[in-house]
Amino acid sequence: NAGVMQNPRHLVRRRGQEARLRCSPMKGHSHVYWYRQLPEEGLKFMVYLQKENIIDESGMPKERFSAEFPKEGPSILRIQQVVRGDSAAYFCASSPPPGTGAIIAYFGPGTRLTVL
Amino acid sequence: AQSVAQPEDQVNVAEGNPLTVKCTYSVSGNPYLFWYVQYPNRGLQFLLKYITGDNLVKGSYGFEAEFNKSQTSFHLKKPSALVSDSALYFCAVRDYGSYIPTFGRGTSLIVHP
Repeated sequence: NAGVMQNPRHLVRRRGQEARLRCSPMKGHSHVYWYRQLPEEGLKFMVYLQKENIIDESGMPKERFSAEFPKEGPSILRIQQVVRGDSAAYFCASSPPPGTGAIIAYFGPGTRLTVL
Repeated sequence: AQSVAQPEDQVNVAEGNPLTVKCTYSVSGNPYLFWYVQYPNRGLQFLLKYITGDNLVKGSYGFEAEFNKSQTSFHLKKPSALVSDSALYFCAVRDYGSYIPTFGRGTSLIVHP
């Protein structure tokens, strides 16, 4: 049973370019979280999605960041016009639907974004 | 609102000694509590959780955690540390009414040979 997959594992972008981070949840999981990890700051929640619906985006920066989880394919976190401050590790986690009794979020290996 | 505090940035312990990594939480209702471990350049691995029931929860790799409602704490423990336990440990909390786990800043555990 494959775990949560993220790609690419490492991504280098120049300032002003776009970054696209992909996340495929575990089999049977319908919900996805995105978190950002900055040095000395721990994990910060960004967004929580189910297929074709954003449930909670209270942690997303207001500009340049967007997320989607289409009916088919992986969840995508998109960062437009990247700046050096966007350099971080971005982690995706997946879980079964709420109310099923399964409450553990399982994490992928992360994408390490470096902005030059 | 829910929050987690890990008061120690780093914990140092000698191999073979018991270890404790501290965590306190704040929720408006009842908590789900979690511990995760992160090795360098890897994702977070689930260690254990508390939902309800026994206050002492046992998890992977010999780790356990004790839920203390009066002190709002969920400290991670292991009777005998291994050098291979050296990693970054995260405590997380989720209020029963929330779907979003909130994570602490992490505690770096260093086990010396």
